[in-house]
Amino acid sequence: ETGVTQSPTHLIKTRGQQVTLRCSSQSGHNTVSWYQQALGQGPQFIFQYYREEENGRGNFPPRFSGLQFPNYSSELNVNALELDDSALYLCASSSSSGGDEQYFGPGTRLTVT
Amino acid sequence: SQQGEEDPQALSIQEGENATMNCSYKTSINNLQWYRQNSGRGLVHLILIRSNEREKHSGRLRVTLDTSKKSSSLLITASRAADTASYFCAGRPSGSARQLTFGSGTQLTVLP
Repeated sequence: ETGVTQSPTHLIKTRGQQVTLRCSSQSGHNTVSWYQQALGQGPQFIFQYYREEENGRGNFPPRFSGLQFPNYSSELNVNALELDDSALYLCASSSSSGGDEQYFGPGTRLTVT
Repeated sequence: SQQGEEDPQALSIQEGENATMNCSYKTSINNLQWYRQNSGRGLVHLILIRSNEREKHSGRLRVTLDTSKKSSSLLITASRAADTASYFCAGRPSGSARQLTFGSGTQLTVLP
């Protein structure tokens, strides 16, 4: 167990709806990264938050947005859901003063119908 | 887009045998990491090798890195059924802020 938790575990939404996924980082970690993993693929980097600011973004449209809170927990918001957004969403925490290893949560499985 | 490509995509071996997975990547990296993922779950960090290192060991794991060929390999010795999982290489691109770019993974099946 990494100490990173995510909620909910599973979620089913309809195309066009909005969704919020949550992540609590490991104690002592101040950086949270979000990844999208489609079935049979490797995770793709969405964005990273450090000290409540976005600190790097992958090739995802603006309808993917996030927040980081003072306790370093984080949210991923996706607006106007599309069928292709169906995936496992993973958050990973790390420490800016530590190594580059990232510690992943168990993920949220999002299904868009 | 995926940074790396693992080879093979799938590997099936008998318990006790060694498993070797290869990874090639496209851009310069600060380090390369290997992660393991059990079916549909989160990823677990296995080992990190820096761009100035050529080989690293951790328990039954051995990782090599060849920056001139932009490639890495992961060797799992004396495999066990519990090693059955997907294995991903992930590079931290030079100059990036701790983001990781993952390959497409190798599905390893260890038969008892």
